[in-house]
Amino acid sequence: DIQMTQSPHTLSASVGDRVTITCRASQSISNWLAWYQQKPGQGPKLLIFKASSVESGVPSRFSGRGSGTEFTLIISSLQPDDFAIYFCQQYNNPPYTFGQGTKLDIK
Amino acid sequence: QVQLQESGPGLVKPSETLSLTCSVSGGSINTDYWSWLRQPPGKGLEWIGLIYYTGTTNYNPSLRSRVTISVDTSKTHFSLNLRSVTATDTAVYYCAKHRFYDNDGFDVWGQGTVVTVSS
Repeated sequence: DIQMTQSPHTLSASVGDRVTITCRASQSISNWLAWYQQKPGQGPKLLIFKASSVESGVPSRFSGRGSGTEFTLIISSLQPDDFAIYFCQQYNNPPYTFGQGTKLDIK
Repeated sequence: QVQLQESGPGLVKPSETLSLTCSVSGGSINTDYWSWLRQPPGKGLEWIGLIYYTGTTNYNPSLRSRVTISVDTSKTHFSLNLRSVTATDTAVYYCAKHRFYDNDGFDVWGQGTVVTVSS
């Protein structure tokens, strides 16, 4: 299985900050990577697919970069609604695997 | 817009079979790939397996010996059976729709249903 490693595990930031979350794959996955946001009691919400394509309806402050084994999710200017947990997921090959998550909380 | 809703028992005894159903509304089950996933308490997400409306399946090798996913196209739902459960199967279980064939992540999720394995 392809292992996905996210960093940091937790991130404290303020409204208006620019934040970056990193996801590394244990082997090359080309650009077959998705990012999700999850809030308590809800299913995850797809933000980014194909590493850098923004899902319809997702605010433009969210962007993704990377290919191969290293990827980043960038939130350009944090808004109050963005404090949540973020996961990456590879879909290069089944079994699809997820990172352990990054909890973004208010500083 | 497609919506998904999981349903099933919240408590299952060890060694028994966990059975869940995902109801699909607002769209057709006959056009997409569908998956089951789970999230144990305090842990990350685990993909269980997928099904296409034709009945084609693909399972996580770690669970393949115990899992069956099936689809009922006439009733617009698909189901998960997980046999011989233990406490490690305690989790929030989600159903989800693949964004594009079996690629591009999962663009629609259910709210999740909590399943506890305990006697």
